Amino acid sequence: GAGVSQSPRYKVAKRGQDVALRCDPISGHVSLFWYQQALGQGPEFLTYFQNEAQLDKSGLPSDRFFAERPEGSVSTLKIQRTQQEDSAVYLCASSLARGDKGRTEAFFGQGTRLTVV
Amino acid sequence: GQNIDQPTEMTATEGAIVQINCTYQTSGFNGLFWYQQHAGEAPTFLSYNVLDGLEEKGRFSSFLSRSKGYSYLLLKELQMKDSASYLCAVRNNDYKLSFGAGTTVTVRA
Repeated sequence: GAGVSQSPRYKVAKRGQDVALRCDPISGHVSLFWYQQALGQGPEFLTYFQNEAQLDKSGLPSDRFFAERPEGSVSTLKIQRTQQEDSAVYLCASSLARGDKGRTEAFFGQGTRLTVV
Repeated sequence: GQNIDQPTEMTATEGAIVQINCTYQTSGFNGLFWYQQHAGEAPTFLSYNVLDGLEEKGRFSSFLSRSKGYSYLLLKELQMKDSASYLCAVRNNDYKLSFGAGTTVTVRA
């Protein structure tokens, strides 16, 4: 596709429900990132994939959060037993090369706005 | 830890110039990025600095001083469509971007 695509755009979940957020990165992009953005704040790093390998998951807030990218393209962020503090916009970003290479800009999707009620 | 500071809000008049400052204290430095984010939209890349100095790109310029831990984004000839949040982000020695909270710029006619 032309850009990073995320679905759904909006998700309302009841507290305790499991949710799965999907990210379709730009075709051929090696690096994939998930960020969490609270209202009025900048994005906070959650996890990083290089192809199918999850190289860093240090930003995941708890073991209720799980991310995968099994074939090195599409990625899913899963949140189990959602809680109200999980309400935020979840942004996915991809970049062509390894994340530490020079002017390797990350292209962001529009995000999924998760509201836990 | 990472500490990235930028003003919360700025207001300017159409056609004017606005400078958004960003100061940072991070463990390692491998480039500084500026992103623009309209409400409800994806952040979009504006500029990248890794060496000291000014990078100019049309109406937007970005400056970096690594010794001072300081950058600014300069927006010239402001247009109404420039009303958005501007995010300063620092990449550490690896791949991780640490973002500031963003500066909301409002352009008035």
